[in-house]
Amino acid sequence: GAVVSQHPSWVICKSGTSVKIECRSLDFQATTMFWYRQFPKQSLMLMATSNEGSKATYEQGVEKDKFLINHASLTLSTLTVTSAHPEDSSFYICSARDPSRVLSYNEQFFGPGTRLTVL
Amino acid sequence: KNQVEQSPQSLIILEGKNCTLQCNYTVSPFSNLRWYKQDTGRGPVSLTIMTFSENTKSNGRYTATLDADTKQSSLHITASQLSDSASYICVVSVNNAGNMLTFGGGTRLMVKP
Repeated sequence: GAVVSQHPSWVICKSGTSVKIECRSLDFQATTMFWYRQFPKQSLMLMATSNEGSKATYEQGVEKDKFLINHASLTLSTLTVTSAHPEDSSFYICSARDPSRVLSYNEQFFGPGTRLTVL
Repeated sequence: KNQVEQSPQSLIILEGKNCTLQCNYTVSPFSNLRWYKQDTGRGPVSLTIMTFSENTKSNGRYTATLDADTKQSSLHITASQLSDSASYICVVSVNNAGNMLTFGGGTRLMVKP
């Protein structure tokens, strides 16, 4: 149980284009999902918290107009990198909480990540 | 400021050997501490989770310890295997309404034959 998937697993795009990354909770409903970014040899950095049916909460320094997050259903959140530039190249990881797991200590279940390369 | 520091940053050991990874934290108020294994190009996978009252927790060849007084945790890997090569991340959860996570920088472990 508690499986989170991401699509695509990797994507290469040209500078200036937009890229959408999907995060799905496969066997549970996730009221809250999280988006992280990870640069090589660094740990995960939280970008934003996505709540179903409401606006995402962005961490300081993350441009909300550049990283659009939509959490339209209890099993799907999307991250759109708009007008991508080479410096946006990174490993993007989503996670989700399963509110039905009362004793999970609010554990986050991570997706496999999406490697974005902007040329 | 909530911080999680891990050591060493990287480690190379021979297959079959044991190793111990360290994690020190200054997170407050403390809720729980998790160790994750992250294979290259993959998302983190939970190994253990410990609350304030737990001192030791095992998951197969992985044994985590927690000293809440000194705010230190360790992850001991027994009889290492090549598949243990990965990054190991210590994550501490803050006990607040958001239950946000503070990530350590990770230890990159390489197990050589």
